[in-house]
Amino acid sequence: GIQVEQSPPDLILQEGANSTLRCNFSDSVNNLQWFHQNPWGQLINLFYIPSGTKQNGRLSATTVATERYSLLYISSSQTTDSGVYFCAVAIQGAQKLVFGQGTRLTINP
Amino acid sequence: DGGITQSPKYLFRKEGQNVTLSCEQNLNHDAMYWYRQDPGQGLRLIYYSQIVNDFQKGDIAEGYSVSREKKESFPLTVTSAQKNPTAFYLCASETRLTNYGYTFGSGTRLTVV
Repeated sequence: GIQVEQSPPDLILQEGANSTLRCNFSDSVNNLQWFHQNPWGQLINLFYIPSGTKQNGRLSATTVATERYSLLYISSSQTTDSGVYFCAVAIQGAQKLVFGQGTRLTINP
Repeated sequence: DGGITQSPKYLFRKEGQNVTLSCEQNLNHDAMYWYRQDPGQGLRLIYYSQIVNDFQKGDIAEGYSVSREKKESFPLTVTSAQKNPTAFYLCASETRLTNYGYTFGSGTRLTVV
């Protein structure tokens, strides 16, 4: 099956810093989503982005489908950005998302 | 407000017992999914359903069962055949009519005592 690798596994930053999270995948996809899991376990959908670039406030994401990777950018980090960020993908014809192992982001005040 | 409700938040199971986790959505979504998350790990798919009265096994279906009798409801039963059921269980739903993606419930933490 498709493999999803996220890097780095852990990232510790000071408040106000910028960060880039990466997601590599091993096959062509027609569905790619980024999620944020808060410390209480709730998963929030950040972006549906199988290709192209999207922005939502301080967050933006870019997927280069031909090169099989996606990037999530967080600017001017806040402590509330802490948590685990997951990338999940689905290949053409598949109905289910496959998740990466996540990047744990810690923002210190 | 529309959303997905999972209950209970915490559940304790004795060895050999079956337990059922509830997942209800009022988003009018067709597709629903159950994932399992172990500490420090990603999510693994247990079962999913695209329409009422139909569902498919995911990657780790052994020891679990589901039903989809109503569009709004997709309960998961953890049977005694599941040897290591202690985990965080997450339910999600999705509509293909928009490109918003998955909506997740707040999860159920199951512990075997």
